[in-house]
Amino acid sequence: QLQLQESGSGLVKPSQTLSLSCAVSGGSITSREYSWSWIRQPPGKGLEWIGYIYDVGNTVFNPSFQSRVTLSVDRSNNQFSLMVSSVTAADTAVYYCARRRSNYGYHDHWGQGALVTVSS
Amino acid sequence: DLQMTQSPSSLSASVGDRVSITCRASQSISDYLNWYQQQQGKAPKLLIYAANILQSGVPSRFSGSRSGADFTLTISSLQPEDFATYYCQHAWTFGQGTKVEIK
Repeated sequence: QLQLQESGSGLVKPSQTLSLSCAVSGGSITSREYSWSWIRQPPGKGLEWIGYIYDVGNTVFNPSFQSRVTLSVDRSNNQFSLMVSSVTAADTAVYYCARRRSNYGYHDHWGQGALVTVSS
Repeated sequence: DLQMTQSPSSLSASVGDRVSITCRASQSISDYLNWYQQQQGKAPKLLIYAANILQSGVPSRFSGSRSGADFTLTISSLQPEDFATYYCQHAWTFGQGTKVEIK
């Protein structure tokens, strides 16, 4: 059974860089059928898709995030990562990693989520 | 920019009720519309993809349909575990969510 697990710093100071990783187990990150997404949810609010990355490193971003976000993939360790620079309190959210089916664009496996708080 | 307008934002219903949630796309998206359920404090769960295809393991009381630019998620007989928030999604856009509460 495919499982995804987020890890990273839960507290980030304003103006610094948020960094999270997502470890994939029970399956390979190397796939033409799937890409790997990051989605966030501010407290009490809805879902906001950040971007996704393919195993070969190609990326697609939500235009709202494109200038501040970096996605990377580590095929040897079966994981992918997110960095968001110049964070503010508005970046406080639960961050989810998820597997995205390439043709339909749906997300069929999700991590449990990681709360990141931006505060001094 | 594509807009996904989901309605209602909340509803109250009883166990056994038939419930429908609608998502309207501001432009043509063919059948590329997905539905998720999110229980409080948990990750979203895929229910329906491509407008009307039931994800493996999801109960058959959930169904999806499309009429033009309007997409509908229907729960035929609401169960206690169905009280949750539901989201539609196309590409990088999620609907605003519909919270289904106990009447």
